Amino acid sequence: NAGVTQTPKFRVLKTGQSMTLLCAQDMNHEYMYWYRQDPGMGLRLIHYSVGEGTTAKGEVPDGYNVSRLKKQNFLLGLESAAPSQTSVYFCASSTRTGGTEAFFGQGTRLTVV
Amino acid sequence: SQKIEQNSEALNIQEGKTATLTCNYTNYSPAYLQWYRQDPGRGPVFLLLIRENEKEKRKERLKVTFDTTLKQSLFHITASQPADSATYLCALGLSSGSARQLTFGSGTQLTVLP
Repeated sequence: NAGVTQTPKFRVLKTGQSMTLLCAQDMNHEYMYWYRQDPGMGLRLIHYSVGEGTTAKGEVPDGYNVSRLKKQNFLLGLESAAPSQTSVYFCASSTRTGGTEAFFGQGTRLTVV
Repeated sequence: SQKIEQNSEALNIQEGKTATLTCNYTNYSPAYLQWYRQDPGRGPVFLLLIRENEKEKRKERLKVTFDTTLKQSLFHITASQPADSATYLCALGLSSGSARQLTFGSGTQLTVLP
């Protein structure tokens, strides 16, 4: 029962460095999402995908890119990290049917110094 | 502008009492509303869903109401226990678009005191 798995769990980056966060789900879900969570601001949607090979922008997409080459994987990239991207990142997935629950990963705590 | 507000950032109650958490929204027309529980250092976990044409949903000690006229949802935990201490998030599911995006409130941190 792996569900949604995020890699890595923690990371410290220097300003300007790049990295990729990996999200993998084993539930055959069509939809996948990347959120960031900051104190007092709740979860904000960065990018999402409605299926393999498709991605779309969410509420706060600037500074991030995503790819969904395989249905089970959704990658979040930071090309040039900035201190404002210090946050906890959550990946989630859900089925296509409206109103179903979202399953979340355990989160990646990223610090940009 | 669109806004989701959850009552007070923190709520303390005594064990055995009923905890009531509020989620208010403006300038949204949600098709459904969900409640999640989040423990420190963990991802949110789904608890309940209620659709726009439903007034109330129950699951064990949990009850959710949804008033689309008031634009408000209430989340109740009856006979609360210290193990219920966590942050609770409400999330609106929008009817538009092909993706089932959720828009989250900032959460209410509940502490149940023994």
